[in-house]
Amino acid sequence: GNSVTQMEGPVTLSEEAFLTINCTYTATGYPSLFWYVQYPGEGLQLLLKATKADDKGSNKGFEATYRKETTSFHLEKGSVQVSDSAVYFCALTGGSQGNLIFGKGTKLSVKP
Amino acid sequence: DAGITQSPRHKVTETGTPVTLRCHQTENHRYMYWYRQDPGHGLRLIHYSYGVKDTDKGEVSDGYSVSRSKTEDFLLTLESATSSQTSVYFCATKGLAENTGELFFGEGSRLTVL
Repeated sequence: GNSVTQMEGPVTLSEEAFLTINCTYTATGYPSLFWYVQYPGEGLQLLLKATKADDKGSNKGFEATYRKETTSFHLEKGSVQVSDSAVYFCALTGGSQGNLIFGKGTKLSVKP
Repeated sequence: DAGITQSPRHKVTETGTPVTLRCHQTENHRYMYWYRQDPGHGLRLIHYSYGVKDTDKGEVSDGYSVSRSKTEDFLLTLESATSSQTSVYFCATKGLAENTGELFFGEGSRLTVL
């Protein structure tokens, strides 16, 4: 079945640093890919998505490109802020129940 | 936002007691899901529903049951809570027209079983 692997955390960066969180997947067919963000004490919110190969999802300065050749969907941001501190989840469609399959999450802490 | 509310948001209970968590949505979404979130495991699917009175098991369904008597409500019941069910529980929904697979999440219910 479909699965997703994302880099282990936690990740600690200084404000204005460049962020990359790696995500690779295994899938049959052509899944949609997602990044969700969870701020402390809150539920998951969709950050960005891509539905086909070479699509780039973007939101709030974050970007990720659907790379079919490398089965990857890495999350990037050029200059992180303290307010970006959160847990980030990579996910894809393909659950047998129509659900999303999630990675284990990567906790990001940004220091001033 | 899909207008998803979960209740209670926090609960502490003792081993062996029954617990029911409620998920209420106002968007008339057909599909509803219960996940649990645990460190090192991410989110794992417990049960899901594809319509009123239509439910099925997810990957970690042992010890849990669900019911959906109305489109807007999806209940998760722990018949006899155990310490291994201490977790944060999230409800999610998906509309019939949502062909990208995107899910909308509630704010979570933190359950502690002593």
